Amino acid sequence: AQSVAQPEDQVNVAEGNPLTVKCTYSVSGNPYLFWYVQYPNRGLQFLLKYITGDNLVKGSYGFEAEFNKSQTSFHLKKPSALVSDSALYFCAVRDIRGADGLTFGKGTHLIIQP
Amino acid sequence: NAGVTQTPKFQVLKTGQSMTLQCAQDMNHNSMYWYRQDPGMGLRLIYYSASEGTTDKGEVPNGYNVSRLNKREFSLRLESAAPSQTSVYFCASRPRLRQSDTQYFGPGTRLTVL
Repeated sequence: AQSVAQPEDQVNVAEGNPLTVKCTYSVSGNPYLFWYVQYPNRGLQFLLKYITGDNLVKGSYGFEAEFNKSQTSFHLKKPSALVSDSALYFCAVRDIRGADGLTFGKGTHLIIQP
Repeated sequence: NAGVTQTPKFQVLKTGQSMTLQCAQDMNHNSMYWYRQDPGMGLRLIYYSASEGTTDKGEVPNGYNVSRLNKREFSLRLESAAPSQTSVYFCASRPRLRQSDTQYFGPGTRLTVL
């Protein structure tokens, strides 16, 4: 079975500071990893994904994520946070040889303080 | 393109009532999915349809049925609603050209069962 852990329910960052939202995963094979963002009362928007190759993945709105196979982690990062980045962030995984559908973490509320 | 659309946006039911949630996509995607989102639990897969004419159970299928009406439309039916089905329901789709394809989500249906 596959699983995703987002250990922080909430992350608080001052505007202009770097941010990190943590994600670790467990799959039996190799993973496809995804980050989505959800703004209040909206659907999920795709940010970025890791398929294979370069461990640093760049995505929308200046976000990037680093895949670390030995630590089974896929942390989301941004060098300089904006107030508009405040939202709910989900990490998701799919085993490349597993069943269809994504397994999501519980989500992390990111709050950027002016 | 409208992407993935869902109707209705909001619904209140009484225990035992039935209803169908509608989902349509105009991206010519092969696969479609239904998830539910509950506070502190992330998104969980209810059912999916890998292609037109096929449906499969996800993690939490009990109490639900689905119909893949055609390539564009995938509906979710609650035959006898229960308070435990109070949730936000999201439909998603992906091309299914590659295993790593991204899923794209609709805006959601907020369902309350009294």
